Amino acid sequence: AQTVTQSQPEMSVQEAETVTLSCTYDTSESDYYLFWYKQPPSRQMILVIRQEAYKQQNATENRFSVNFQKAAKSFSLKISDSQLGDAAMYFCARFTYQGAQKLVFGQGTRLTINP
Amino acid sequence: DGGITQSPKYLFRKEGQNVTLSCEQNLNHDAMYWYRQDPGQGLRLIYYSQIVNDFQKGDIAEGYSVSREKKESFPLTVTSAQKNPTAFYLCASRINRTPAKPQHFGDGTRLSIL
Repeated sequence: AQTVTQSQPEMSVQEAETVTLSCTYDTSESDYYLFWYKQPPSRQMILVIRQEAYKQQNATENRFSVNFQKAAKSFSLKISDSQLGDAAMYFCARFTYQGAQKLVFGQGTRLTINP
Repeated sequence: DGGITQSPKYLFRKEGQNVTLSCEQNLNHDAMYWYRQDPGQGLRLIYYSQIVNDFQKGDIAEGYSVSREKKESFPLTVTSAQKNPTAFYLCASRINRTPAKPQHFGDGTRLSIL
């Protein structure tokens, strides 16, 4: 099965510090896309950042950046200068071309920000 | 503004009853998806549709049915055969053939058993 694994069910960080959320995935494809979504208590799914597998450069969006290691099939999310509003569930997802074009999600990591 | 509208926000089902969750989008997206989310878990794919009048089962389709008669609409019916329907349901849509474009999500429907 083509799976996405988030090994940290919960993480916590002090406000203003940096935290890294882990994600690994399994795929036989050479070209694919990876995403991090945030789900705050409102339950909305909000796109945080995306990475194209053919690009070696790691994606960055303001305080959010990724460490994409294609050979290791690893896609971690780094949040710098953590803010109280960053508290949420974070889901890693991979877009697959095999069969249907669909996202495969990890189990999620609940991030708590301590003031 | 374009977006995805799910209704109702909360829904209650009696045993033996079928209920239908509505999902409408005005983004002109080709593909639409239904996900189920249980507490503390990720999203699991129920059904998806890439074009009108066509849909495929996802990973947990048993006890659910869908239709795609219009591009804008993708309703999900939770049938009495679904013995554990209590969950949060999310609808999503995206443009086909543009993998860099992310899925857009609705605000969800919470379904509970009476």
